Amino acid sequence: EVQLVESGGGLLQPGGSLRLSCAASGFTFSSYEMNWVRQAPGKGLEWLSYISTSGSTISYADSVKGRFTISRDNAKNSLYLQMNSLRAEDTAVYYCAREVAGGGSWFDSWGQGTLVTVSS
Amino acid sequence: DIQMTQSPSTLSASVGDRVTITCRASQSISTWLAWYQQKPGKAPKVLIYKASSLESGVPSRFSGSGSGTEFTLTISSLQPDDFATYYCQQYNSYSRTFGQGTKVEIK
Repeated sequence: EVQLVESGGGLLQPGGSLRLSCAASGFTFSSYEMNWVRQAPGKGLEWLSYISTSGSTISYADSVKGRFTISRDNAKNSLYLQMNSLRAEDTAVYYCAREVAGGGSWFDSWGQGTLVTVSS
Repeated sequence: DIQMTQSPSTLSASVGDRVTITCRASQSISTWLAWYQQKPGKAPKVLIYKASSLESGVPSRFSGSGSGTEFTLTISSLQPDDFATYYCQQYNSYSRTFGQGTKVEIK
């Protein structure tokens, strides 16, 4: 069974940093492109970042470019999101999402999400 | 970046109604579009990919159409389990964007 489990969320002050993790199991992690998506309370889905299977290709939404860094460790079956210079508007549930195999680019599996709250 | 605009933002309908949601892209995305359903407190679930392909296990009352910049998601006969929020998502090049969502409410 495909499983994606996010962790690392919490409460922190504006300007702080946080690293989210997504542990993958039930599939060959190294064969799948991965993404981070967030959802602010009561709001819609916002795509944040993409990483290719090897990590050689990465892209970001303009809203997080320069502040957030996506990475992966295929040996540990894990995806990461390093978040720096956090703002109140970064408060959201953060999901990792797997893209369908073969370059399809839609998301066929999602984690349960981890809540990040940025508040003073 | 490609912007996705969904309409309406909210839709009130009754069980058995035919429902149509529209998604417009700011530039052509061919058929690189997916539709998702999300229920409160849950992760989204893909319904349609490549604009019109039905994901395995999704009821046939859901259908998608369109290409280029205009797309539609249709629910042929709304069921109680379909009251949820629906999102379109484009996947052109290495950028992905979601529409702002359409909440389907009980009339």
